[in-house]
Amino acid sequence: KAGVTQTPRYLIKTRGQQVTLSCSPISGHRSVSWYQQTPGQGLQFLFEYFSETQRNKGNFPGRFSGRQFSNSRSEMNVSTLELGDSALYLCASSLGPGPGNEQFFGPGTRLTVL
Amino acid sequence: AQSVSQHNHHVILSEAASLELGCNYSYGGTVNLFWYVQYPGQHLQLLLKYFSGDPLVKGIKGFEAEFIKSKFSFNLRKPSVQWSDTAEYFCAVRAGDKIIFGKGTRLHILP
Repeated sequence: KAGVTQTPRYLIKTRGQQVTLSCSPISGHRSVSWYQQTPGQGLQFLFEYFSETQRNKGNFPGRFSGRQFSNSRSEMNVSTLELGDSALYLCASSLGPGPGNEQFFGPGTRLTVL
Repeated sequence: AQSVSQHNHHVILSEAASLELGCNYSYGGTVNLFWYVQYPGQHLQLLLKYFSGDPLVKGIKGFEAEFIKSKFSFNLRKPSVQWSDTAEYFCAVRAGDKIIFGKGTRLHILP
């Protein structure tokens, strides 16, 4: 069974631009979560989607948004990029929401903002 | 605010040494606890988890962790580490609908 895939793997943008990252969950998984990983802050939860609905949101500004499609694929968008948005963005999928469902992580998208 | 603290940011051990990585959390309600590992160049993967029952949980690759409710702790242990355990280890707590990760501990095992 294929794992979680994320595209692109690497991205370089400049301040003020916007970016869209994509995540394809494991087949059959309907829940997708997004995390931002930085050396200083570690992993921080961005949001969780299940059945095309956002279930939870972390403490990030409104510039960070996401959505989930009917096939469970998810995208996250960051508008008006800032230098501090440089990070590894991780996507994790699970069969469903809730702690009983193990999350499987993708390789991440490395975003560099210049 | 809920938080997860991993006390050691960087640990260096020799092979066959015993390992204990500390994790403390702040949340007064019911929690689910996790340890994840990220080997160099690989994805984050689940080592072990605690939901309820026996507070001593065993995970993959000989790791175990003990949940001590009174201390709000969930320390990770391994009696004898191997060079292949070199990785970054993350403690995570699910409190309500949110999951909070610690900042990670980089473990380096000397051959």
